[in-house]
Amino acid sequence: IAGITQAPTSQILAAGRRMTLRCTQDMRHNAMYWYRQDLGLGLRLIHYSNTAGTTGKGEVPDGYSVSRANTDDFPLTLASAVPSQTSVYFCASRVLAGDYNEQFFGPGTRLTVL
Amino acid sequence: QKEVEQNSGPLSVPEGAIASLNCTYSDRVSQSFFWYRQYSGKSPELIMSIYSNGDKEDGRFTAQLNKASQYVSLLIRDSQPSDSATYLCAVILRDTGRRALTFGSGTRLQVQP
Repeated sequence: IAGITQAPTSQILAAGRRMTLRCTQDMRHNAMYWYRQDLGLGLRLIHYSNTAGTTGKGEVPDGYSVSRANTDDFPLTLASAVPSQTSVYFCASRVLAGDYNEQFFGPGTRLTVL
Repeated sequence: QKEVEQNSGPLSVPEGAIASLNCTYSDRVSQSFFWYRQYSGKSPELIMSIYSNGDKEDGRFTAQLNKASQYVSLLIRDSQPSDSATYLCAVILRDTGRRALTFGSGTRLQVQP
């Protein structure tokens, strides 16, 4: 089934630990995104990648890093997790051809940092 | 000023009524506007997109865009309890390399049986 998968579904993590959230899409979309969603703050962009080999910073990039080695995968790494990174994380992808293209979301990862 | 603003709600309507959800946006926004629906605990799902002034209809949903007033709305006709969800307005900002969607904080809709 075509779409976006994310792993893990949920995770409880001790502060200071390193964590990588995985995202894979099989739609051959060139652009991929990571958002976090917090109550009252909506969806905020963490990092993005317009094409394999390139990445950029979104609104809230501090404490996160990404890589885009190929078209399908876009992992998000928390180098040293802090409680303020407790959130629901969504990966998304889109064909980057003008502004007239649907952005699809993965099912999300619920992360709790204690 | 936020780029995209929505009333957080909840907006409560009786079953069968028209639900009207509103979104205002700043000058930084390009010509692309999207409405997503998000059920509790689920990911956002695109339900409508609109790119030009006027109305766009798709089934029970109508998106309305007024660029002069910097206003986009979503009308849901014959509202059903299954429409109860949070509705997110999303735009693409001009002059950024991101091309990612920027979201409003969402309006929670409750359809009462």
